[in-house]
Amino acid sequence: DAGVIQSPRHEVTEMGQEVTLRCKPISGHDYLFWYRQTMMRGLELLIYFNNNVPIDDSGMPEDRFSAKMPNASFSTLKIQPSEPRDSAVYFCASSLGGTVDTEAFFGQGTRLTVV
Amino acid sequence: SQQGEEDPQALSIQEGENATMNCSYKTSINNLQWYRQNSGRGLVHLILIRSNEREKHSGRLRVTLDTSKKSSSLLITASRAADTASYFCATDELANSGYALNFGKGTSLLVTP
Repeated sequence: DAGVIQSPRHEVTEMGQEVTLRCKPISGHDYLFWYRQTMMRGLELLIYFNNNVPIDDSGMPEDRFSAKMPNASFSTLKIQPSEPRDSAVYFCASSLGGTVDTEAFFGQGTRLTVV
Repeated sequence: SQQGEEDPQALSIQEGENATMNCSYKTSINNLQWYRQNSGRGLVHLILIRSNEREKHSGRLRVTLDTSKKSSSLLITASRAADTASYFCATDELANSGYALNFGKGTSLLVTP
């Protein structure tokens, strides 16, 4: 398997624009996580899915953020409208059976810059 | 919410020396995991230690867990320049978030030749 695949790797956008980040989890994994990493706040869990269903979205900072998982092989994180403070690296991760007993596999991340 | 907190924030050593990083957490856990992140890359899992385990080894890595003190340590023996990276501990809380990992801010390790 190619691992968790995220696209794009880099995104530069202007304030107010819509941004969509994409993730393809490892085939067969039933958990998918979205994290945001900044120098100030470290790695923050935004939302996670189990079998395509959102389980906990309490980490989503504002209503400007939304995430979907239409099927087992694809998820999106959308920011609309984007703001400069959204600039961060966004990671997607997946795991089999949750992280109670197993590891999470991370993608390479999307570096988002909002100017 | 962040659960694990690593200490020190930064560590600089020479090749061949041992590196020790510590992690403290706040609530009951199912397990504690350590991850590594090279600059500009995603996180890579290193080792998982369950709440009923006290020590675990993997190659040059040794992890200890003290649930009474809510702390863990990661020891890298005979360090190499290639070990230069950030190291994160992550805990799996028993409540609320259920099966998601909460990460600390990491320890930045620099190993010089």
